Amino acid sequence: DTEVTQTPKHLVMGMTNKKSLKCEQHMGHRAMYWYKQKAKKPPELMFVYSYEKLSINESVPSRFSPECPNSSLLNLHLHALQPEDSALYLCASSPGLAGLLTGELFFGEGSRLTVL
Amino acid sequence: AQSVTQLGSHVSVSEGALVLLRCNYSSSVPPYLFWYVQYPNQGLQLLLKYTTGATLVKGINGFEAEFKKSETSFHLTKPSAHMSDAAEYFCAVAGGTSYGKLTFGQGTILTVHP
Repeated sequence: DTEVTQTPKHLVMGMTNKKSLKCEQHMGHRAMYWYKQKAKKPPELMFVYSYEKLSINESVPSRFSPECPNSSLLNLHLHALQPEDSALYLCASSPGLAGLLTGELFFGEGSRLTVL
Repeated sequence: AQSVTQLGSHVSVSEGALVLLRCNYSSSVPPYLFWYVQYPNQGLQLLLKYTTGATLVKGINGFEAEFKKSETSFHLTKPSAHMSDAAEYFCAVAGGTSYGKLTFGQGTILTVHP
């Protein structure tokens, strides 16, 4: 099993809604990542968790709240989003942060978010 | 800070022709360099990587890239394009002070014509 599974694949929400994106991997990886990808743009790093602790926060607005309940799961809680937050949100994992340096990032297919 | 520049946001080739996607990097430390591919409505998949050692790197699907320090380049090539190669390709750099962070280029969309 070499998959990173993201749910839901598509999400439409209003600016006052609260929703969550979920990511799961069963490869025993200890680092997990959230990336945001706008149309026709490269992925931009949002958060990195290493051994279930937040390691990197790329100055992401507080309306995005990550959570890593265990080594296999990564959530992204969404609240009071803006239309400009509409994007593809990609989850990734690697064996460890050192794995990132060797390109061992495994990406999910993403959750496409539309904020109305 | 590290950065990557991909020359050409769109590249179009005929099936069977050479594929050349250009990538130049900027890094104050020895870089780790990668090429990822993204098919429509999918996540990214690692094509190949350069960390240390041999400067000519072979990846999946017949792609290869050569690390040229003197030119700060890491261009991606494939001798003969296939229709299934149509996708977006991202060059990326990691390492040094950006430990734990992968910085992507702007991407190049490859179109393959029959």
